[in-house]
Amino acid sequence: DGGITQSPKYLFRKEGQNVTLSCEQNLNHDAMYWYRQDPGQGLRLIYYSQIVNDFQKGDIAEGYSVSREKKESFPLTVTSAQKNPTAFYLCASSKIEGGGNIQYFGAGTRLSVL
Amino acid sequence: GQQLNQSPQSMFIQEGEDVSMNCTSSSIFNTWLWYKQDPGEGPVLLIALYKAGELTSNGRLTAQFGITRKDSFLNISASIPSDVGIYFCANMAGNNRKLIWGLGTSLAVNP
Repeated sequence: DGGITQSPKYLFRKEGQNVTLSCEQNLNHDAMYWYRQDPGQGLRLIYYSQIVNDFQKGDIAEGYSVSREKKESFPLTVTSAQKNPTAFYLCASSKIEGGGNIQYFGAGTRLSVL
Repeated sequence: GQQLNQSPQSMFIQEGEDVSMNCTSSSIFNTWLWYKQDPGEGPVLLIALYKAGELTSNGRLTAQFGITRKDSFLNISASIPSDVGIYFCANMAGNNRKLIWGLGTSLAVNP
């Protein structure tokens, strides 16, 4: 089945620790995205990549880093500089359909701080 | 910047009732997307609209692209418990393949 796989489903971070969230897609989509979701705040864009070896900051990139070495993979690292990392993280990929940019999402990773 | 104003923020209804929610903006758009997010999961696309005035159905869901191109609504008929979740509208933000998102309408259904 084609889709987007995020792992792990739940992740715990200790103070001062970097953690990496995995996102893999087998949809052959060029673009991939990372969002952060907090209660009542909708989806906020962290980083996005339109092509391999290129990525752009979203609205809340501080304290996060990404890489796009392969088309299928777009891992997100939550660094120790992110002081409030507890949130639900969503990865998406997209293709252009009918003039619209349809994004398809993974099941999310819930990150908590110990 | 562009914003999508989604209302209502939350709804609590009885099973079997119809539901209506909408999304408005001061900007003109060429598409409208409606997503549903089940608790603890990622959003899933429900309906995509590409033409002003377009009315599209997907089972018990109906969505319309406003004639002014600044708004859209989503209706759910005869609600059932599995309709529970957060409904988001979204739209393209220019030509850079980003989407802008409404803050969502949270729906609770009382069996």
